[in-house]
Amino acid sequence: AAGVIQSPRHLIKEKRETATLKCYPIPRHDTVYWYQQGPGQDPQFLISFYEKMQSDKGSIPDRFSAQQFSDYHSELNMSSLELGDSALYFCASSFDRLTDTQYFGPGTRLTVL
Amino acid sequence: ILNVEQSPQSLHVQEGDSTNFTCSFPSSNFYALHWYRWETAKSPEALFVMTLNGDEKKKGRISATLNTKEGYSYLYIKGSQPEDSATYLCALPNAGGTSYGKLTFGQGTILTVHP
Repeated sequence: AAGVIQSPRHLIKEKRETATLKCYPIPRHDTVYWYQQGPGQDPQFLISFYEKMQSDKGSIPDRFSAQQFSDYHSELNMSSLELGDSALYFCASSFDRLTDTQYFGPGTRLTVL
Repeated sequence: ILNVEQSPQSLHVQEGDSTNFTCSFPSSNFYALHWYRWETAKSPEALFVMTLNGDEKKKGRISATLNTKEGYSYLYIKGSQPEDSATYLCALPNAGGTSYGKLTFGQGTILTVHP
């Protein structure tokens, strides 16, 4: 069965650079979620999109922005990167926002040097 | 803010032991509870989604129960194996307003099964 695809899997950036993470949800899933997991921490919700509209926003810095495109894939754009942005970024998708399981992608590990 | 608590924080058992851990949550405005299994360096793997009071779900040696009236869910592992070692997360989706669907995770229970 198709799973959530994230690219790239690993990304190394310098401070103050920009990064773009991509997420391709499971076909027919209309909701995409982004989570950030710092070292030794639980996943923290960043932002979600339902039918290409932002549906919720969590602890996402102003330096980050995201959108969902017409084909339902989503991109997380991160600017002015800081050392503290180094983390594992997960994307998840679901069909029913409340009761359906959120299926997680493999994550993108971002390292900011 | 949804408060999801898991206990214990970590658990060490011997191979073959059965074990269980708890997820507690506010019983009001309950819609669903998700259990995930998370191995190091992998993405969370969905185990169960539970919606009805009294739900019992089973997947192999792992099962879960749900009590929405008192606000808790138990995850049971029968005959633990070393490959069961992982962090087990429960999560509840928010509902209402603009916070529809985002998962709030508990802090997880780290299970280590010793051969």
